[in-house]
Amino acid sequence: TQLLEQSPQFLSIQEGENLTVYCNSSSVFSSLQWYRQEPGEGPVLLVTVVTGGEVKKLKRLTFQFGDARKDSSLHITAAQPGDTGLYLCAGAGSSNTGKLIFGQGTTLQVKP
Amino acid sequence: DTGVSQDPRHKITKRGQNVTFRCDPISEHNRLYWYRQTLGQGPEFLTYFQNEAQLEKSRLLSDRFSAERPKGSFSTLEIQRTEQGDSAMYLCASSASLGGTEAFFGQGTRLTVV
Repeated sequence: TQLLEQSPQFLSIQEGENLTVYCNSSSVFSSLQWYRQEPGEGPVLLVTVVTGGEVKKLKRLTFQFGDARKDSSLHITAAQPGDTGLYLCAGAGSSNTGKLIFGQGTTLQVKP
Repeated sequence: DTGVSQDPRHKITKRGQNVTFRCDPISEHNRLYWYRQTLGQGPEFLTYFQNEAQLEKSRLLSDRFSAERPKGSFSTLEIQRTEQGDSAMYLCASSASLGGTEAFFGQGTRLTVV
């Protein structure tokens, strides 16, 4: 069974601080997606990483896919209150069904 | 097309009643997924359609749950004889089979069984 472990589960920081969220597995994924979810809403896709070692930047967010495609990280620089939300990583297996295995999520609170 | 649409957004039902949710995927997407999310957890896969064919079902999907996708367009998820443990957010997502595995989610249906 493929599992994704996210850490930390909760993070409360001050505006302007940097943070990193980790997503780890013992399984290889063909791709990994990061989503952000607000209370009562569905997850919104932020980025997809496909190639081992890939780094993608989205404004103040930097996403990295591990060389072995088993882990990923999300780094936020100078966090803002608008970054508050639940961050989810989700891995797609090699079966090409598109079925996603999600981590438990990281709840981020950025205080002004 | 404005994205994946789910209806209703919220549903409160009494234990033992049947409920049905609808999902309208992004029009050019031939794959459709249902997930369930409980508080404080990530979404869990329930079932997957490619066009009108239901190709995979999770063991989480008991025989009280049934999903359909007639004509390969919208999908419905029905829960019969609801139980309190069915209370959750039910999420629908769609993707294109070509061009990768990026899935786009609807806003979800929040089910509360009282």
